[in-house]
Amino acid sequence: AQSVTQLDSHVSVSEGTPVLLRCNYSSSYSPSLFWYVQHPNKGLQLLLKYTSAATLVKGINGFEAEFKKSETSFHLTKPSAHMSDAAEYFCVVSVFNNDMRFGAGTRLTVKP
Amino acid sequence: DAGVTQSPTHLIKTRGQQVTLRCSPKSGHDTVSWYQQALGQGPQFIFQYYEEEERQRGNFPDRFSGHQFPNYSSELNVNALLLGDSALYLCASSFFGAKDTIYFGEGSWLTVV
Repeated sequence: AQSVTQLDSHVSVSEGTPVLLRCNYSSSYSPSLFWYVQHPNKGLQLLLKYTSAATLVKGINGFEAEFKKSETSFHLTKPSAHMSDAAEYFCVVSVFNNDMRFGAGTRLTVKP
Repeated sequence: DAGVTQSPTHLIKTRGQQVTLRCSPKSGHDTVSWYQQALGQGPQFIFQYYEEEERQRGNFPDRFSGHQFPNYSSELNVNALLLGDSALYLCASSFFGAKDTIYFGEGSWLTVV
């Protein structure tokens, strides 16, 4: 079965500094990988997805992620954090029929 | 074009009661999946419905059951509610078998007292 591990439960950065949220995955088959963001008391919003095309994936709001098969990683990055980026971020893996397995989440705090 | 809609948005139930949550998928989607998100945790897969049948199931007891209607909408039923069932229940819609974007609803907040 597929699974993901988000390596940090909480990341704190200053506004204007880079963001790195780490995710490792496990899958017996070629996976699709996603990053979702969830603001407090809100639903899930898709940031970006990897589905076996380009390994560097660009998403919304300046986020991007790189699929590294050799490292089984799919880390999320952003060059410059904004206050509005403060939220919970979920790394997700899917193999067949969109059965999505979520990581435990990383809470991003952005300090002014 | 309406996205995924869920109802009700919030509800409170008593232990031992039964609850039904509803989901209408995004227009054109034929598959509905349900997830449970407990406070402070990531969503956990409950089950998936396609062609009115349960296709996949996560690690949830039989108290959790579902249904899909011919118009692709779906219901999640939970019997004999426990305090631990308190969570945000999310519905996701997609095309069956496709590695396409999956759309989530805003969720139904269930509190069991």
